[in-house]
Amino acid sequence: DADVTQTPRNRITKTGKRIMLECSQTKGHDRMYWYRQDPGLGLQLIYYSFDVKDINKGEISDGYSVSRQAQAKFSLSLESAIPNQTALYFCATSDSFADTQYFGPGTRLTVL
Amino acid sequence: AQSVTQLDSQVPVFEEAPVELRCNYSSSVSVYLFWYVQYPNQGLQLLLKYLSGSTLVKGINGFEAEFNKSQTSFHLRKPSVHISDTAEYFCAVSEFSSASKIIFGSGTRLSIRP
Repeated sequence: DADVTQTPRNRITKTGKRIMLECSQTKGHDRMYWYRQDPGLGLQLIYYSFDVKDINKGEISDGYSVSRQAQAKFSLSLESAIPNQTALYFCATSDSFADTQYFGPGTRLTVL
Repeated sequence: AQSVTQLDSQVPVFEEAPVELRCNYSSSVSVYLFWYVQYPNQGLQLLLKYLSGSTLVKGINGFEAEFNKSQTSFHLRKPSVHISDTAEYFCAVSEFSSASKIIFGSGTRLSIRP
């Protein structure tokens, strides 16, 4: 079984809809991250969490919100999706910031 | 604030040829450095990392990278590539003083020709 799972893997939605992307991990890590990948731009950090009670904004948090429901679960929400949020979204976990980050398989989101 | 520049967006090479993927970083403090690989339709996975010590770091799949503090570089090399190395490669940096953020470069797409 995969250590970091993301659901859904693919989603097509319309402008203005609320969308939630979910991430679960079995690695027992405290730190979890949400990234966005656009072609030619690499990965940009949206939000990160060091534990259940700690949530921090990343480089591009506008238009996004997150919820850390448990150590193993970290969800990303788009309250009102817009077309320029079309991208590949990755969840990752790590034991510390200098440690390896373990990535999920990604969610491909298309906003029409 | 730290930043990472990957100078080549695409690198085509022939199978069994050597390859170097270039990475330069900018930071006012000491850093940790990483290379990640993303195979088609997959998430990223760690190739290698430099935390301290020897400046030559060896990773998985025969890759290695050398940390050069004076040139603020962390270039990735492999002496002989295989078709299976076709992927996108990301350099990343994290500052000692930062408790959280890893900044990724824009990626280099390595394509291997038979």
